Amino acid sequence: SQQGEEDPQALSIQEGENATMNCSYKTSINNLQWYRQNSGRGLVHLILIRSNEREKHSGRLRVTLDTSKKSSSLLITASRAADTASYFCATDDSGGYQKVTFGTGTKLQVIP
Amino acid sequence: NAGVTQTPKFQVLKTGQSMTLQCAQDMNHEYMSWYRQDPGMGLRLIHYSVGAGITDQGEVPNGYNVSRSTTEDFPLRLLSAAPSQTSVYFCASRRTSGGRDTQYFGPGTRLTVL
Repeated sequence: SQQGEEDPQALSIQEGENATMNCSYKTSINNLQWYRQNSGRGLVHLILIRSNEREKHSGRLRVTLDTSKKSSSLLITASRAADTASYFCATDDSGGYQKVTFGTGTKLQVIP
Repeated sequence: NAGVTQTPKFQVLKTGQSMTLQCAQDMNHEYMSWYRQDPGMGLRLIHYSVGAGITDQGEVPNGYNVSRSTTEDFPLRLLSAAPSQTSVYFCASRRTSGGRDTQYFGPGTRLTVL
């Protein structure tokens, strides 16, 4: 079963706007990762946040983690058409370092 | 570095046939994994390896075998293909050293079982 559930399933915004995607998970985790997947391509690792961290930044990306609510959010600021892709969260559960479980993804469309 | 490479890119099998999906990485990563992605879904872990000679099952291991004889290679074998195994298969390797934990994915193999 999928550990992470993303919300919304699809998001359409204008270029320059911010995009926020949310991820909820079910069990205790070591860390949470966000990935981007362009249509028909492999996944690209964006950012990893550890269970003892609350917020992390990388360029136009901001990730938050709330372990008490078992949730994370990914914010993309000043979106560009090139950000159009599917975004997935994934978790390493605390029982197995390599047992990564992916969510179902958010499909983001950025309209030029 | 070539990163993570997968062959073939596309494959069509008949039910009952067997085949091996190849995966190789040149980054000297200890951790490697195989995932499958079905339409509109996230990735599901099939098998993973934490080093040469060590493999373990993921979420959906049935119908698949793996081996890890070298650090570089992690082939996935389909024993007797079934239509339910039609999917896109991704191999990944993971860097955990140097303070940066990053998983790198190959381009995928698109498999159709008739």
